[in-house]
Amino acid sequence: AQKITQTQPGMFVQEKEAVTLDCTYDTSDPSYGLFWYKQPSSGEMIFLIYQGSYDQQNATEGRYSLNFQKARKSANLVISASQLGDSAMYFCAIFTQGGSEKLVFGKGTKLTVNP
Amino acid sequence: EPEVTQTPSHQVTQMGQEVILRCVPISNHLYFYWYRQILGQKVEFLVSFYNNEISEKSEIFDDQFSVERPDGSNFTLKIRSTKLEDSAMYFCASNPEGSSYNEQFFGPGTRLTVL
Repeated sequence: AQKITQTQPGMFVQEKEAVTLDCTYDTSDPSYGLFWYKQPSSGEMIFLIYQGSYDQQNATEGRYSLNFQKARKSANLVISASQLGDSAMYFCAIFTQGGSEKLVFGKGTKLTVNP
Repeated sequence: EPEVTQTPSHQVTQMGQEVILRCVPISNHLYFYWYRQILGQKVEFLVSFYNNEISEKSEIFDDQFSVERPDGSNFTLKIRSTKLEDSAMYFCASNPEGSSYNEQFFGPGTRLTVL
Protein backbone atom coordinates (compact mmCIF):
# COMPACT_ATOMS: atom_id res chain seq x y z
CA ALA A 1 0.00 0.00 0.00
CA GLN A 2 1.06 3.55 -0.63
CA LYS A 3 1.57 6.09 2.12
CA ILE A 4 2.35 9.79 2.29
CA THR A 5 3.76 11.43 5.40
CA GLN A 6 3.72 15.16 5.94
CA THR A 7 5.32 15.87 9.30
CA GLN A 8 4.69 19.62 9.46
CA PRO A 9 1.12 20.40 10.54
CA GLY A 10 1.86 24.12 10.24
CA MET A 11 4.55 26.33 8.77
CA PHE A 12 5.16 30.07 8.90
CA VAL A 13 7.17 32.10 6.42
CA GLN A 14 7.81 35.77 5.85
CA GLU A 15 6.59 37.29 2.63
CA LYS A 16 9.20 37.11 -0.16
CA GLU A 17 11.15 34.33 1.55
CA ALA A 18 11.41 30.73 0.39
CA VAL A 19 9.83 27.84 2.26
CA THR A 20 10.13 24.07 2.03
CA LEU A 21 7.22 21.76 2.80
CA ASP A 22 8.24 18.21 3.57
CA CYS A 23 6.79 15.05 2.09
CA THR A 24 7.99 11.48 2.37
CA TYR A 25 6.36 8.56 0.67
CA ASP A 26 6.28 4.82 0.80
CA THR A 27 5.52 2.52 -2.09
CA SER A 28 6.82 -0.76 -3.43
CA ASP A 29 5.77 0.11 -6.97
CA PRO A 30 8.70 1.20 -9.18
CA SER A 31 6.50 3.47 -11.28
CA TYR A 32 4.66 6.28 -9.53
CA GLY A 33 3.89 9.96 -9.62
CA LEU A 34 4.05 12.52 -6.86
CA PHE A 35 1.76 15.51 -6.73
CA TRP A 36 1.35 18.65 -4.72
CA TYR A 37 -2.02 20.35 -4.37
CA LYS A 38 -2.90 23.67 -2.76
CA GLN A 39 -6.18 24.05 -0.91
CA PRO A 40 -7.09 27.63 0.00
CA SER A 41 -9.73 28.42 2.58
CA SER A 42 -12.37 28.36 -0.16
CA GLY A 43 -11.85 24.59 -0.37
CA GLU A 44 -10.93 23.79 -3.95
CA MET A 45 -7.96 21.58 -4.80
CA ILE A 46 -5.47 23.34 -7.03
CA PHE A 47 -2.83 21.26 -8.80
CA LEU A 48 0.65 22.72 -8.36
CA ILE A 49 3.30 20.33 -9.57
CA TYR A 50 4.00 16.74 -10.58
CA GLN A 51 7.08 14.53 -10.45
CA GLY A 52 7.28 11.14 -12.14
CA SER A 53 9.41 8.45 -10.56
CA TYR A 54 11.52 8.11 -13.70
CA ASP A 55 11.95 11.81 -14.31
CA GLN A 56 15.64 12.69 -14.33
CA GLN A 57 15.19 16.30 -13.36
CA ASN A 58 13.33 17.92 -10.51
CA ALA A 59 10.03 19.41 -11.59
CA THR A 60 9.57 23.17 -11.61
CA GLU A 61 6.46 25.28 -12.22
CA GLY A 62 7.03 28.97 -11.80
CA ARG A 63 7.72 29.65 -8.12
CA TYR A 64 7.17 25.99 -7.24
CA SER A 65 9.85 23.36 -7.43
CA LEU A 66 9.95 19.81 -6.21
CA ASN A 67 13.07 18.55 -4.47
CA PHE A 68 12.86 14.89 -5.42
CA GLN A 69 15.22 12.56 -3.59
CA LYS A 70 14.30 9.09 -4.75
CA ALA A 71 16.68 7.16 -2.50
CA ARG A 72 15.27 8.95 0.53
CA LYS A 73 11.70 8.68 -0.79
CA SER A 74 11.15 12.35 -0.30
CA ALA A 75 9.41 14.90 -2.51
CA ASN A 76 9.59 18.25 -0.79
CA LEU A 77 7.85 21.28 -2.23
CA VAL A 78 9.85 24.49 -2.38
CA ILE A 79 7.98 27.77 -2.78
CA SER A 80 10.24 30.67 -3.65
CA ALA A 81 9.44 34.32 -3.00
CA SER A 82 6.36 33.58 -0.86
CA GLN A 83 3.29 35.72 -1.37
CA LEU A 84 0.39 36.40 0.98
CA GLY A 85 -1.82 34.45 -1.40
CA ASP A 86 0.26 31.33 -0.79
CA SER A 87 -1.34 30.96 2.65
CA ALA A 88 -3.27 27.69 2.37
CA MET A 89 -3.19 23.97 3.09
CA TYR A 90 -0.75 22.01 0.97
CA PHE A 91 -1.22 18.33 0.28
CA CYS A 92 1.29 15.87 -1.08
CA ALA A 93 -0.12 12.83 -2.90
CA ILE A 94 1.11 9.72 -4.68
CA PHE A 95 -0.28 7.78 -7.59
CA THR A 96 1.09 4.36 -8.51
CA GLN A 97 0.64 2.73 -11.89
CA GLY A 98 1.02 -0.85 -10.80
CA GLY A 99 -1.72 -0.83 -8.26
CA SER A 100 -5.04 0.86 -8.01
CA GLU A 101 -5.28 4.07 -9.90
CA LYS A 102 -6.07 6.55 -7.21
CA LEU A 103 -4.34 9.36 -5.38
CA VAL A 104 -3.28 8.76 -1.80
CA PHE A 105 -2.92 11.99 0.14
CA GLY A 106 -0.96 13.07 3.17
CA LYS A 107 -2.52 14.97 6.05
CA GLY A 108 -1.35 18.29 4.72
CA THR A 109 0.65 21.28 5.93
CA LYS A 110 -0.96 24.61 6.71
CA LEU A 111 1.24 27.39 5.40
CA THR A 112 0.88 30.92 6.72
CA VAL A 113 2.70 33.73 4.97
CA ASN A 114 3.30 36.73 7.20
CA PRO A 115 3.58 40.26 5.81
CA GLU B 1 -9.31 25.70 -20.35
CA PRO B 2 -11.63 22.74 -19.73
CA GLU B 3 -12.51 22.03 -16.13
CA VAL B 4 -14.42 19.63 -13.95
CA THR B 5 -17.64 21.11 -12.61
CA GLN B 6 -19.69 20.02 -9.61
CA THR B 7 -23.18 20.84 -8.42
CA PRO B 8 -24.39 21.88 -5.98
CA SER B 9 -21.58 23.74 -4.28
CA HIS B 10 -23.25 23.23 -0.92
CA GLN B 11 -25.94 20.74 0.07
CA VAL B 12 -27.69 20.60 3.41
CA THR B 13 -29.79 17.54 4.20
CA GLN B 14 -31.46 15.76 7.07
CA MET B 15 -30.04 12.52 8.41
CA GLY B 16 -31.57 9.56 6.62
CA GLN B 17 -32.29 11.46 3.42
CA GLU B 18 -30.89 10.57 0.03
CA VAL B 19 -28.53 12.96 -1.72
CA ILE B 20 -27.11 12.99 -5.22
CA LEU B 21 -23.94 14.90 -5.93
CA ARG B 22 -23.31 15.73 -9.55
CA CYS B 23 -20.13 16.13 -11.53
CA VAL B 24 -19.36 16.88 -15.15
CA PRO B 25 -15.86 15.60 -15.92
CA ILE B 26 -13.73 16.96 -18.71
CA SER B 27 -15.20 15.64 -21.94
CA ASN B 28 -12.38 13.49 -23.30
CA HIS B 29 -11.42 12.00 -19.95
CA LEU B 30 -11.83 8.30 -19.31
CA TYR B 31 -11.27 7.81 -15.58
CA PHE B 32 -13.47 9.32 -12.93
CA TYR B 33 -13.10 9.48 -9.18
CA TRP B 34 -14.85 10.59 -6.04
CA TYR B 35 -12.87 11.69 -3.01
CA ARG B 36 -14.04 12.85 0.39
CA GLN B 37 -12.52 15.30 2.85
CA ILE B 38 -13.96 15.54 6.34
CA LEU B 39 -13.39 19.01 7.76
CA GLY B 40 -9.80 19.43 8.88
CA GLN B 41 -8.70 16.04 7.63
CA LYS B 42 -6.94 14.66 4.61
CA VAL B 43 -8.54 13.84 1.29
CA GLU B 44 -9.66 10.21 1.08
CA PHE B 45 -10.37 8.10 -1.97
CA LEU B 46 -13.91 6.76 -2.30
CA VAL B 47 -14.28 5.18 -5.71
CA SER B 48 -12.88 5.07 -9.23
CA PHE B 49 -14.92 4.48 -12.36
CA TYR B 50 -13.83 3.41 -15.81
CA ASN B 51 -15.64 2.05 -18.83
CA ASN B 52 -19.00 2.41 -17.13
CA GLU B 53 -18.13 0.38 -14.09
CA ILE B 54 -16.46 0.72 -10.74
CA SER B 55 -12.78 -0.19 -10.98
CA GLU B 56 -11.99 0.24 -7.31
CA LYS B 57 -13.68 1.33 -4.12
CA SER B 58 -12.47 2.03 -0.62
CA GLU B 59 -13.77 0.73 2.68
CA ILE B 60 -15.69 3.97 3.09
CA PHE B 61 -17.71 3.23 -0.05
CA ASP B 62 -20.26 0.88 1.49
CA ASP B 63 -23.72 -0.14 0.31
CA GLN B 64 -25.07 3.32 1.06
CA PHE B 65 -22.99 4.76 -1.76
CA SER B 66 -23.40 4.32 -5.49
CA VAL B 67 -22.05 5.97 -8.60
CA GLU B 68 -23.47 6.33 -12.05
CA ARG B 69 -22.68 7.87 -15.39
CA PRO B 70 -26.23 8.16 -16.67
CA ASP B 71 -25.80 10.08 -19.91
CA GLY B 72 -22.16 10.07 -20.98
CA SER B 73 -21.42 13.47 -19.49
CA ASN B 74 -22.60 13.50 -15.87
CA PHE B 75 -20.98 11.43 -13.14
CA THR B 76 -23.03 11.15 -9.96
CA LEU B 77 -22.47 10.02 -6.41
CA LYS B 78 -25.55 8.93 -4.50
CA ILE B 79 -25.76 8.46 -0.77
CA ARG B 80 -28.97 6.55 -0.04
CA SER B 81 -29.46 7.29 3.65
CA THR B 82 -27.14 9.99 4.92
CA LYS B 83 -25.51 9.85 8.32
CA LEU B 84 -24.05 12.66 10.36
CA GLU B 85 -20.55 11.38 9.61
CA ASP B 86 -21.14 11.80 5.88
CA SER B 87 -20.75 15.54 6.38
CA ALA B 88 -17.69 16.40 4.31
CA MET B 89 -16.44 18.02 1.15
CA TYR B 90 -16.84 15.68 -1.81
CA PHE B 91 -14.53 16.10 -4.76
CA CYS B 92 -14.97 14.68 -8.19
CA ALA B 93 -11.86 14.19 -10.33
CA SER B 94 -11.05 12.92 -13.78
CA ASN B 95 -8.06 12.21 -15.95
CA PRO B 96 -7.58 11.25 -19.58
CA GLU B 97 -5.84 7.98 -18.94
CA GLY B 98 -5.12 6.14 -15.77
CA SER B 99 -1.69 4.77 -16.30
CA SER B 100 0.39 7.61 -17.62
CA TYR B 101 -0.68 11.12 -16.90
CA ASN B 102 0.58 14.04 -14.94
CA GLU B 103 -2.47 15.54 -13.38
CA GLN B 104 -5.74 14.44 -11.89
CA PHE B 105 -8.20 17.26 -12.48
CA PHE B 106 -10.33 18.10 -9.47
CA GLY B 107 -13.68 19.81 -9.40
CA PRO B 108 -14.38 22.62 -6.92
CA GLY B 109 -16.15 20.24 -4.53
CA THR B 110 -19.57 19.92 -2.96
CA ARG B 111 -19.81 20.63 0.73
CA LEU B 112 -22.35 18.23 2.23
CA THR B 113 -23.81 19.03 5.62
CA VAL B 114 -25.96 16.37 7.29
CA LEU B 115 -28.12 17.62 10.17
